[in-house]
Amino acid sequence: AQSVTQLGSHVSVSEGALVLLRCNYSSSVPPYLFWYVQYPNQGLQLLLKYTTGATLVKGINGFEAEFKKSETSFHLTKPSAHMSDAAEYFCAVIKGAQKLVFGQGTRLTINP
Amino acid sequence: EPEVTQTPSHQVTQMGQEVILRCVPISNHLYFYWYRQILGQKVEFLVSFYNNEISEKSEIFDDQFSVERPDGSNFTLKIRSTKLEDSAMYFCATQTSSVSDTQYFGPGTRLTVL
Repeated sequence: AQSVTQLGSHVSVSEGALVLLRCNYSSSVPPYLFWYVQYPNQGLQLLLKYTTGATLVKGINGFEAEFKKSETSFHLTKPSAHMSDAAEYFCAVIKGAQKLVFGQGTRLTINP
Repeated sequence: EPEVTQTPSHQVTQMGQEVILRCVPISNHLYFYWYRQILGQKVEFLVSFYNNEISEKSEIFDDQFSVERPDGSNFTLKIRSTKLEDSAMYFCATQTSSVSDTQYFGPGTRLTVL
């Protein structure tokens, strides 16, 4: 059954530092994987997605993620954190027909 | 850029009352979803809707819940008799067609059941 696990419910980095948010998936079929971001009091916004093709996926706001089948991972990275990146980040996988199954979320805090 | 809208943004109701949450999908989208997020927990799938019928529902989506698209534009979620545990943020999401297409989420309706 398709599922995702996010390691770390809370990540704190300094402004300008590397952001690394971890996501591991479990899937019996080639997965479609997504990262969504939720800013305070807002809905979910798609950052990036992996469906097929290139395993390094670039998204909005300088984020990227790499699909690694051998590690069953889809970690989200950004080379240099900005204060505006503070938000909750959710990894998700498509399960069954089309529903999204989300991880627990990782709250990213940026320290000045 | 087209976006999904939801009304109301916040709904407060008494336990046992009926509530209707409304969503206006992006115009050319064909698949519609409701998800919910209880405070401090992850986002959970409730139901998917296509071609005027439910295509999939979770175990959360019991007989107290229903969805419809009454006028071809709005997509609604009705909870017939609210319980305290229904308090959550409810998100509508819409999608064009393919499973790999992005699901676009609305800003959510915060439902508080007293």
